[in-house]
Amino acid sequence: KAGVTQTPRYLIKTRGQQVTLSCSPISGHRSVSWYQQTPGQGLQFLFEYFSETQRNKGNFPGRFSGRQFSNSRSEMNVSTLELGDSALYLCASSFDSYGYTFGSGTRLTVV
Amino acid sequence: AQKITQTQPGMFVQEKEAVTLDCTYDTSDQSYGLFWYKQPSSGEMIFLIYQGSYDEQNATEGRYSLNFQKARKSANLVISASQLGDSAMYFCAMREGRFDSARQLTFGSGTQLTVLP
Repeated sequence: KAGVTQTPRYLIKTRGQQVTLSCSPISGHRSVSWYQQTPGQGLQFLFEYFSETQRNKGNFPGRFSGRQFSNSRSEMNVSTLELGDSALYLCASSFDSYGYTFGSGTRLTVV
Repeated sequence: AQKITQTQPGMFVQEKEAVTLDCTYDTSDQSYGLFWYKQPSSGEMIFLIYQGSYDEQNATEGRYSLNFQKARKSANLVISASQLGDSAMYFCAMREGRFDSARQLTFGSGTQLTVLP
């Protein structure tokens, strides 16, 4: 079966711009969660969506937002980009919380 | 306090030997799950093994086994017969709470494993 698909793989944006990242979960998985990975802070939880509802949110500013569509695909948006937003953004899909399957990530560089 | 602690930033192992990657955790929940993931330089997080807090047996998946010591709150990953392809960053992670309510993973800082030929 197809895995978790994240697009795009790489992205370069300028400070102040906004960006939208996409995640298509494994078929049948209704939970999608997002993580930010940086060398300084490691892996940090952003938010989790289930059946189009945000169920849980990490400690990130309001510039970070997301949504989930009826087909379980999820997008995350970062507005007013800062240099510190440069990171690998990973999404994980889950059928139940016994297993989380991650995508290959989107590597965002803010210049 | 750190919920997941990995004290080995880097480890080296000779090909075909076994290696243990350390992980300690901190939680007051009775129900929780522990995961190990492998992250090669490409960035993808690859699931290796899972241990539930109520599982009495240590989890095993092929060459991977989890040495679960609940009283000591440790969940060390053992890789037997190391291969060159095992060179990667390894993360220990925890899901707190029951599986039907817990919604996020907390990760450790990772251990960079290098397998030497």
